[in-house]
Order: sequence, then structure tokens, then C-alpha cells
Amino acid sequence: GQQLNQSPQSMFIQEGEDVSMNCTSSSIFNTWLWYKQDPGEGPVLLIALYKAGELTSNGRLTAQFGITRKDSFLNISASIPSDVGIYFCAGQSSGSRLTFGEGTQLTVNP
Amino acid sequence: NAGVTQTPKFQVLKTGQSMTLQCAQDMNHEYMSWYRQDPGMGLRLIHYSVGAGITDQGEVPNGYNVSRSTTEDFPLRLLSAAPSQTSVYFCASSLTVLSSYNEQFFGPGTRLTVL
Repeated sequence: GQQLNQSPQSMFIQEGEDVSMNCTSSSIFNTWLWYKQDPGEGPVLLIALYKAGELTSNGRLTAQFGITRKDSFLNISASIPSDVGIYFCAGQSSGSRLTFGEGTQLTVNP
Repeated sequence: NAGVTQTPKFQVLKTGQSMTLQCAQDMNHEYMSWYRQDPGMGLRLIHYSVGAGITDQGEVPNGYNVSRSTTEDFPLRLLSAAPSQTSVYFCASSLTVLSSYNEQFFGPGTRLTVL
């Protein structure tokens, strides 16, 4: 089956720092997605990417769809304490079935 | 709209017991799915449905059954609970199954422990 490798697994940063995380796949995806999960909640969509090379921003978040269609990254600029949570990448190759990465646990120290 | 709702929020079972995790959505979404979340493994698809009366297996279907008698409801049944089924279960729904992505909305999750 499809495999998504997400790194890093965890990050501990100071408030105000920038954060970068990425996902790589063994196969091609048509859509890349980034979700955030707050403690005790379900994942919530942050950014959706639909075309190879696409660079999309949502406030302090920026994500890119890799040109090979096998990777994507997410950057968070000027982190704040409420950025704490688990960030997941997900790829979609057909229909609505998603393949999720393992998640990146982000901790922001005030 | 309430979105995607799941009950119960927490559940403890003994090995061999059966139970049903409930999921409902009030957005008239065609596509519904169940995932399990385990530490370090992301979310894995258990079963999904593209519409009422239609279900299919996902990545990890063994030990689980589903049915979709209405558009709104998509219950997940554990037939004989095992400790390996201790996990957090998420239900999700999206508008349709098209070639382009339709945002999936997740419920708050059910935390299941099997002793």
C-alpha cells in the first residue's frame, strides 16, 4: 500500500520561531492536505494543495505541493502557543480515500 | 449544523465484548468513513461508504463491521473486542466522492480501551 513518511516526529520550539515539517511518499498523489489536531479533538483541515508546484498560504502557514507529486512541506512562521498540536499530512490519489502521515507533535514554549 | 457527532466519547470494554460506535452527520454528505488513530501511526482507514447502502473495506477492516442504512448514520461495530483494538476512533464525512478533493470533516473521536 501507499506509505507516507512524515518528519520530524516531534518538535519543541520557542514562541516566535519558525517551524518546518515535511512528508514524502513512495507513490504519486493528486492532492496533498495538511491537518491540525488539537488535544482531544478530531483533525481539522489547514491547507489543501491540488497541483504540483503549488504554493499556498493560510495566515502564518505556508504549504507546497512538491513538483514530483511525491512530497509536500508545511511551514509555520512566528509560532504562538496555540500552534501546539499534532500536524498531519495526507495524500489523496483517487476518490476520497486519504493516506495519512504519522504526524508531527509540536510543542511551543512561551 | 452539528457537523459530525460521535458517541460515546469514552468506552472501556473487556476482551470478547461487542459494541457499536455511533457516528452521525447532518450535512447531507454522501461519503463517510471510519479511521483509527494509534501513536506514531497516523490515521488508518477501517471502512468507508460512498452512499446509503454501499460500504467497502479500508486499510485495516478486520474485526470491524459497518452498515449505511441512511445517509446520516454510519455505525462501526466491534464484534468481539480485542486489546489490539484499543485506539482512538474517528468518523469523517465529505460531500461527495469526486476526482478532486472534497474536505473531510472529522468528529471529536471515541477513545476505546479494551482490557
